[in-house]
Amino acid sequence: NAGVIQTPRHKVTGKGQEATLWCEPISGHSAVFWYRQTIVQGLEFLTYFRNQAPIDDSGMPKERFSAQMPNQSHSTLKIQSTQPQDSAVYLCASSLGTGGVERLFFGHGTKLSVL
Amino acid sequence: QQQVRQSPQSLTVWEGETAILNCSYEDSTFDYFPWYWQFPRESPALLIAIRPVSNKKEDGRFTIFFNKREKKLSLHITDSQPGDSATYFCAGEGSSGSWQLIFGSGTQLTVMP
Repeated sequence: NAGVIQTPRHKVTGKGQEATLWCEPISGHSAVFWYRQTIVQGLEFLTYFRNQAPIDDSGMPKERFSAQMPNQSHSTLKIQSTQPQDSAVYLCASSLGTGGVERLFFGHGTKLSVL
Repeated sequence: QQQVRQSPQSLTVWEGETAILNCSYEDSTFDYFPWYWQFPRESPALLIAIRPVSNKKEDGRFTIFFNKREKKLSLHITDSQPGDSATYFCAGEGSSGSWQLIFGSGTQLTVMP
Protein backbone atom coordinates (compact mmCIF):
# COMPACT_ATOMS: atom_id res chain seq x y z
CA ASN A 1 0.00 0.00 0.00
CA ALA A 2 1.70 3.15 -1.24
CA GLY A 3 -0.54 5.47 0.71
CA VAL A 4 -2.13 8.56 -0.78
CA ILE A 5 -0.15 9.68 -3.80
CA GLN A 6 -0.02 13.31 -4.83
CA THR A 7 1.61 14.72 -7.90
CA PRO A 8 3.51 16.83 -8.54
CA ARG A 9 5.39 17.31 -5.26
CA HIS A 10 6.28 20.85 -6.23
CA LYS A 11 4.71 23.18 -8.75
CA VAL A 12 5.77 26.67 -9.66
CA THR A 13 3.42 28.82 -11.68
CA GLY A 14 3.37 32.40 -12.81
CA LYS A 15 0.62 34.70 -11.67
CA GLY A 16 -2.46 34.14 -13.82
CA GLN A 17 -1.53 30.64 -14.93
CA GLU A 18 -3.51 27.50 -14.25
CA ALA A 19 -2.43 24.74 -11.85
CA THR A 20 -3.80 21.22 -11.69
CA LEU A 21 -3.00 19.03 -8.73
CA TRP A 22 -3.52 15.28 -8.73
CA CYS A 23 -4.37 12.86 -5.99
CA GLU A 24 -4.63 9.07 -5.93
CA PRO A 25 -6.37 7.89 -2.75
CA ILE A 26 -5.68 4.65 -0.98
CA SER A 27 -7.40 1.78 -2.75
CA GLY A 28 -10.67 0.93 -1.06
CA HIS A 29 -11.09 4.32 0.56
CA SER A 30 -14.36 5.94 -0.42
CA ALA A 31 -13.82 9.44 0.98
CA VAL A 32 -11.32 11.92 -0.46
CA PHE A 33 -10.52 15.27 1.09
CA TRP A 34 -8.56 18.32 0.01
CA TYR A 35 -6.92 20.63 2.55
CA ARG A 36 -4.59 23.59 2.19
CA GLN A 37 -1.80 24.32 4.66
CA THR A 38 -0.03 27.62 5.17
CA ILE A 39 1.93 29.06 8.06
CA VAL A 40 -0.59 31.86 8.52
CA GLN A 41 -3.89 30.03 8.05
CA GLY A 42 -2.85 26.55 9.17
CA LEU A 43 -4.82 23.58 7.89
CA GLU A 44 -7.88 24.71 5.96
CA PHE A 45 -10.58 22.39 4.67
CA LEU A 46 -11.38 22.87 1.01
CA THR A 47 -13.67 20.09 -0.18
CA TYR A 48 -14.42 16.41 -0.03
CA PHE A 49 -15.95 13.57 -2.02
CA ARG A 50 -17.72 10.46 -0.89
CA ASN A 51 -18.00 7.62 -3.38
CA GLN A 52 -16.83 10.11 -6.03
CA ALA A 53 -19.73 12.48 -5.35
CA PRO A 54 -18.92 16.02 -4.19
CA ILE A 55 -20.37 16.42 -0.72
CA ASP A 56 -19.05 19.61 0.83
CA ASP A 57 -17.11 22.32 -0.98
CA SER A 58 -17.72 25.03 1.60
CA GLY A 59 -14.00 25.73 1.95
CA MET A 60 -13.34 26.29 -1.72
CA PRO A 61 -12.72 29.81 -3.00
CA LYS A 62 -15.61 29.86 -5.42
CA GLU A 63 -14.33 31.70 -8.43
CA ARG A 64 -11.03 30.06 -9.31
CA PHE A 65 -10.95 26.71 -7.53
CA SER A 66 -12.61 23.53 -8.69
CA ALA A 67 -12.25 19.87 -7.77
CA GLN A 68 -13.32 16.72 -9.49
CA MET A 69 -13.25 13.01 -8.89
CA PRO A 70 -13.89 11.34 -12.24
CA ASN A 71 -13.23 7.84 -10.90
CA GLN A 72 -12.49 6.18 -7.58
CA SER A 73 -8.76 6.16 -8.20
CA HIS A 74 -8.06 9.83 -8.61
CA SER A 75 -9.14 13.35 -7.82
CA THR A 76 -7.94 16.66 -9.18
CA LEU A 77 -7.86 20.17 -7.78
CA LYS A 78 -7.68 22.89 -10.39
CA ILE A 79 -6.80 26.48 -9.68
CA GLN A 80 -7.38 28.94 -12.48
CA SER A 81 -5.61 32.27 -12.76
CA THR A 82 -3.33 31.51 -9.82
CA GLN A 83 -2.49 34.34 -7.44
CA PRO A 84 0.44 34.67 -5.01
CA GLN A 85 -1.94 34.12 -2.09
CA ASP A 86 -2.68 30.65 -3.48
CA SER A 87 0.87 29.61 -2.58
CA ALA A 88 0.51 26.80 -0.05
CA VAL A 89 0.90 23.09 0.46
CA TYR A 90 -2.18 21.36 -0.86
CA LEU A 91 -2.89 18.14 0.96
CA CYS A 92 -5.08 15.33 -0.24
CA ALA A 93 -6.34 12.76 2.25
CA SER A 94 -8.51 9.70 2.08
CA SER A 95 -10.44 7.64 4.60
CA LEU A 96 -12.40 4.44 4.58
CA GLY A 97 -15.61 6.41 4.70
CA THR A 98 -17.63 3.77 6.51
CA GLY A 99 -19.03 6.21 9.03
CA GLY A 100 -17.88 9.70 9.83
CA VAL A 101 -14.52 11.15 8.93
CA GLU A 102 -12.59 8.52 10.89
CA ARG A 103 -8.86 8.44 10.31
CA LEU A 104 -7.53 10.65 7.55
CA PHE A 105 -4.50 9.40 5.67
CA PHE A 106 -2.71 12.37 4.15
CA GLY A 107 -0.51 12.40 1.10
CA HIS A 108 2.80 14.23 1.11
CA GLY A 109 1.18 17.23 -0.47
CA THR A 110 1.85 19.44 -3.46
CA LYS A 111 3.73 22.61 -2.67
CA LEU A 112 2.40 25.29 -4.97
CA SER A 113 4.45 28.43 -5.44
CA VAL A 114 2.90 31.25 -7.42
CA LEU A 115 5.45 33.83 -8.51
CA GLN B 1 -14.08 32.26 12.37
CA GLN B 2 -11.70 30.16 14.40
CA GLN B 3 -13.75 27.38 15.90
CA VAL B 4 -10.87 25.41 17.40
CA ARG B 5 -8.20 27.17 19.44
CA GLN B 6 -4.95 25.74 20.70
CA SER B 7 -2.47 26.90 23.29
CA PRO B 8 0.33 27.40 23.74
CA GLN B 9 1.57 28.12 20.25
CA SER B 10 4.89 26.56 21.18
CA LEU B 11 6.07 24.50 24.13
CA THR B 12 9.47 23.27 25.21
CA VAL B 13 9.92 20.54 27.81
CA TRP B 14 12.81 18.39 28.96
CA GLU B 15 13.01 14.72 28.21
CA GLY B 16 10.99 12.78 30.78
CA GLU B 17 8.66 15.65 31.65
CA THR B 18 4.93 15.78 30.95
CA ALA B 19 3.85 18.06 28.13
CA ILE B 20 0.33 19.49 28.28
CA LEU B 21 -1.27 20.84 25.13
CA ASN B 22 -4.57 22.64 25.32
CA CYS B 23 -7.51 22.90 22.96
CA SER B 24 -10.91 24.56 23.12
CA TYR B 25 -13.80 24.68 20.71
CA GLU B 26 -16.92 26.74 20.13
CA ASP B 27 -19.28 24.50 18.21
CA SER B 28 -21.28 22.36 20.63
CA THR B 29 -22.24 20.02 17.78
CA PHE B 30 -18.66 18.74 17.51
CA ASP B 31 -18.69 15.07 18.43
CA TYR B 32 -15.31 13.78 17.39
CA PHE B 33 -11.95 15.24 18.39
CA PRO B 34 -8.82 13.81 16.80
CA TRP B 35 -5.31 14.97 17.47
CA TYR B 36 -2.90 14.85 14.57
CA TRP B 37 0.84 15.26 14.78
CA GLN B 38 3.08 16.51 12.06
CA PHE B 39 6.84 16.10 11.89
CA PRO B 40 8.99 18.50 9.86
CA ARG B 41 8.67 17.87 6.12
CA GLU B 42 5.98 15.28 6.74
CA SER B 43 2.20 15.31 6.50
CA PRO B 44 -0.16 15.20 9.47
CA ALA B 45 -0.96 11.77 10.86
CA LEU B 46 -3.59 10.70 13.37
CA LEU B 47 -2.21 10.32 16.88
CA ILE B 48 -5.23 9.76 19.10
CA ALA B 49 -8.92 10.70 19.12
CA ILE B 50 -11.86 10.95 21.51
CA ARG B 51 -15.63 11.17 21.33
CA PRO B 52 -17.66 13.10 23.94
CA VAL B 53 -19.14 9.93 25.42
CA SER B 54 -15.80 9.62 27.21
CA ASN B 55 -13.88 12.17 29.25
CA LYS B 56 -10.56 10.40 28.90
CA LYS B 57 -8.76 8.46 26.20
CA GLU B 58 -5.39 6.88 26.79
CA ASP B 59 -2.91 5.36 24.37
CA GLY B 60 0.44 4.62 25.89
CA ARG B 61 2.08 7.88 26.92
CA PHE B 62 -0.62 9.97 25.26
CA THR B 63 -3.84 10.86 27.08
CA ILE B 64 -6.71 13.12 26.07
CA PHE B 65 -8.72 14.72 28.86
CA PHE B 66 -12.09 16.06 27.74
CA ASN B 67 -14.39 18.52 29.50
CA LYS B 68 -17.64 18.80 27.56
CA ARG B 69 -19.17 21.42 29.85
CA GLU B 70 -16.28 23.81 29.33
CA LYS B 71 -15.69 22.77 25.71
CA LYS B 72 -12.07 22.08 26.46
CA LEU B 73 -9.70 19.23 25.97
CA SER B 74 -6.04 18.65 26.57
CA LEU B 75 -3.41 16.25 25.38
CA HIS B 76 -0.96 15.03 28.01
CA ILE B 77 2.28 13.44 26.90
CA THR B 78 4.00 11.74 29.79
CA ASP B 79 7.70 10.85 29.83
CA SER B 80 8.23 13.08 26.81
CA GLN B 81 10.89 11.94 24.36
CA PRO B 82 12.89 13.95 21.80
CA GLY B 83 11.11 11.92 19.12
CA ASP B 84 7.83 13.49 20.25
CA SER B 85 9.02 16.84 18.94
CA ALA B 86 6.42 17.81 16.36
CA THR B 87 3.48 20.10 15.75
CA TYR B 88 0.27 18.85 17.30
CA PHE B 89 -3.10 19.75 15.84
CA CYS B 90 -6.38 19.45 17.65
CA ALA B 91 -9.44 19.11 15.41
CA GLY B 92 -13.18 18.87 15.71
CA GLU B 93 -15.83 17.28 13.54
CA GLY B 94 -19.43 18.34 13.71
CA SER B 95 -22.42 16.04 13.92
CA SER B 96 -24.22 17.85 11.14
CA GLY B 97 -23.37 15.16 8.64
CA SER B 98 -20.44 16.86 6.98
CA TRP B 99 -17.15 15.11 7.49
CA GLN B 100 -15.26 18.38 7.54
CA LEU B 101 -12.54 18.50 10.19
CA ILE B 102 -11.82 21.93 11.64
CA PHE B 103 -8.20 22.12 12.75
CA GLY B 104 -6.67 24.36 15.34
CA SER B 105 -3.55 26.34 14.58
CA GLY B 106 -1.28 23.81 16.25
CA THR B 107 1.19 23.62 19.12
CA GLN B 108 4.83 23.17 18.24
CA LEU B 109 6.36 20.89 20.85
CA THR B 110 10.10 20.62 21.37
CA VAL B 111 11.47 18.00 23.74
CA MET B 112 15.01 18.74 24.82
CA PRO B 113 17.30 15.78 25.58
